Amino acid sequence: DQQVKQNSPSLSVQEGRISILNCDYTNSMFDYFLWYKKYPAEGPTFLISISSIKDKNEDGRFTVFLNKSAKHLSLHIVPSQPGDSAVYFCAASANTGFQKLVFGTGTRLLVSP
Amino acid sequence: NAGVMQNPRHLVRRRGQEARLRCSPMKGHSHVYWYRQLPEEGLKFMVYLQKENIIDESGMPKERFSAEFPKEGPSILRIQQVVRGDSAAYFCASSAKTGQAKGSPLHFGNGTRLTVT
Repeated sequence: DQQVKQNSPSLSVQEGRISILNCDYTNSMFDYFLWYKKYPAEGPTFLISISSIKDKNEDGRFTVFLNKSAKHLSLHIVPSQPGDSAVYFCAASANTGFQKLVFGTGTRLLVSP
Repeated sequence: NAGVMQNPRHLVRRRGQEARLRCSPMKGHSHVYWYRQLPEEGLKFMVYLQKENIIDESGMPKERFSAEFPKEGPSILRIQQVVRGDSAAYFCASSAKTGQAKGSPLHFGNGTRLTVT
């Protein structure tokens, strides 16, 4: 039962263009969403998050959009840089009081110069 | 300002042996989580511990797996009688005292890659 889905295993964009990574979820109890970035042989690194009471959160080049009615969120990276090449995981949590995160399977982003 | 430290980075065990994975949380963090990533999958929650207490172990397999976070020393994830299906990357993460996603995101270690031959 995949509660968080990232249907695109990979994405390739050119440097300077926009990268859009998508994530869908099925559990309506999720109220907090996060994006993590992961380089090979390293642990995931927190990137940006959004609460279900908001529909947008921006941090520098990274913006996360949340569409609750569609149970969909997306991460926009603009402009994309080669250093952004990594696997991006979408994660969600319900209001359990602790961080029992449910992760998607990840999207591998490749930004070419 | 060390991050979450996990050791060993790589661990090879034969079927039937025991595997012990260690995790030292970030300084000042008293909440520890273990996640497992099977090949081609996302991370899956295993267990959440505070000092000397297991708070939620709903993601732990019912047999062979155990976790502890003693008053002194690192958190330990122990897998007894390993099987090939246990081969995965095991990530430890820690958070600040509130332990709530909204307040402090998880900081992950670089993981232990367990290979069972």
